[in-house]
Amino acid sequence: DAGVIQSPRHEVTEMGQEVTLRCKPISGHNSLFWYRQTMMRGLELLIYFNNNVPIDDSGMPEDRFSAKMPNASFSTLKIQPSEPRDSAVYFCASSLFGQETQYFGPGTRLLVL
Amino acid sequence: EDQVTQSPEALRLQEGESSSLNCSYTVSGLRGLFWYRQDPGKGPEFLFTLYSAGEEKEKERLKATLTKKESFLHITAPKPEDSATYLCAVQLPGDGLTFGKGTHLIIQP
Repeated sequence: DAGVIQSPRHEVTEMGQEVTLRCKPISGHNSLFWYRQTMMRGLELLIYFNNNVPIDDSGMPEDRFSAKMPNASFSTLKIQPSEPRDSAVYFCASSLFGQETQYFGPGTRLLVL
Repeated sequence: EDQVTQSPEALRLQEGESSSLNCSYTVSGLRGLFWYRQDPGKGPEFLFTLYSAGEEKEKERLKATLTKKESFLHITAPKPEDSATYLCAVQLPGDGLTFGKGTHLIIQP
């Protein structure tokens, strides 16, 4: 059974470039979450979707960040323009709406130079 | 502000030496408390969910307990493969999780 799939696994880019992170949730799951993990702040929720609709984006740090979920099997997190302080590991997680357990992907390690 | 605090930040044990990790929380309307395990370079792996004070759950050498203000993850006779970062998270009304910063556990053979 495939778990949450994220791509790319590693991304190195230069300040000012656009970065797009991708996530495929577990088949049948209808809630999707984007988290960011840093040494200083730990794991933080950025945004989550229920049935492809964004529910809470209060964790998105600023307008440079945007997320979309065009269908039940795909979501993107975009940073434009990227800055060095965006360097972190970005995780996607999914769950069945109404069931609390979230299953995490392997993460995308982003380095902005 | 809702907070989750884990202690200690790091713990080094000898193989077979039992101990406990603590997760204290200050939230209103707790829906659930979660424990995850995270290995280096990987995503968090689900361990337990606890919903009400007095509840306990076990899995192999791990047992999680919950009170009104804190949760403990007890590790009995740990093995080197139990080395990982253990994360605690709370779920409030709504669906996102608020995580503590974790306890980095090392079990020495």
